[in-house]
Amino acid sequence: DGGITQSPKYLFRKEGQNVTLSCEQNLNHDAMYWYRQDPGQGLRLIYYSQIVNDFQKGDIAEGYSVSREKKESFPLTVTSAQKNPTAFYLCASSIGQANTGELFFGEGSRLTVL
Amino acid sequence: AQSVTQLGSHVSVSEGALVLLRCNYSSSVPPYLFWYVQYPNQGLQLLLKYTTGATLVKGINGFEAEFKKSETSFHLTKPSAHMSDAAEYFCAVRLVSGNTPLVFGKGTRLSVIA
Repeated sequence: DGGITQSPKYLFRKEGQNVTLSCEQNLNHDAMYWYRQDPGQGLRLIYYSQIVNDFQKGDIAEGYSVSREKKESFPLTVTSAQKNPTAFYLCASSIGQANTGELFFGEGSRLTVL
Repeated sequence: AQSVTQLGSHVSVSEGALVLLRCNYSSSVPPYLFWYVQYPNQGLQLLLKYTTGATLVKGINGFEAEFKKSETSFHLTKPSAHMSDAAEYFCAVRLVSGNTPLVFGKGTRLSVIA
């Protein structure tokens, strides 16, 4: 089945540690996205990539980093510089340019900083 | 800049009653419009979308939405609520021109009372 796989689903980390969230898609989509979700704040865009080896900052990129070395993969690193990293992280993909922009989502990763 | 406002962070209805979730957008040009649903600790699933053509759009699970350009609205309705409709609902907008990511509203949590 085609889809988006995020791992791990739950992750705990200590303050000051970097952590990387995995996102893999087999939909052959060009574009991939990372959103952060906090209660009552909706989805906020962290980073997105419309093509391999290129990515753009979203609205809340500070304290995060990404890479896009392969079309299928778009990992997100939450660095120690992110002041409040506890949140639900959602990865998504879309077909790409000249399309409606409809997003297909993974199941999410919940990060808790202890 | 485009933006989305969802009126009411929490809506409660009785089982069998009409569901109405409100969404207004701000955009200087015609947008693409989307409604997504999210169940607890899961990713988002597309309910329906408006791109072009008929302004009344039917989606999954008996939901529909009407694009009203004069009111800049895209409200989501369902004639008869079911217990399984309890979830969080997000409205999203994207400009037709350009290749910008979707912008989401803050979400509306729907509770269904037996």
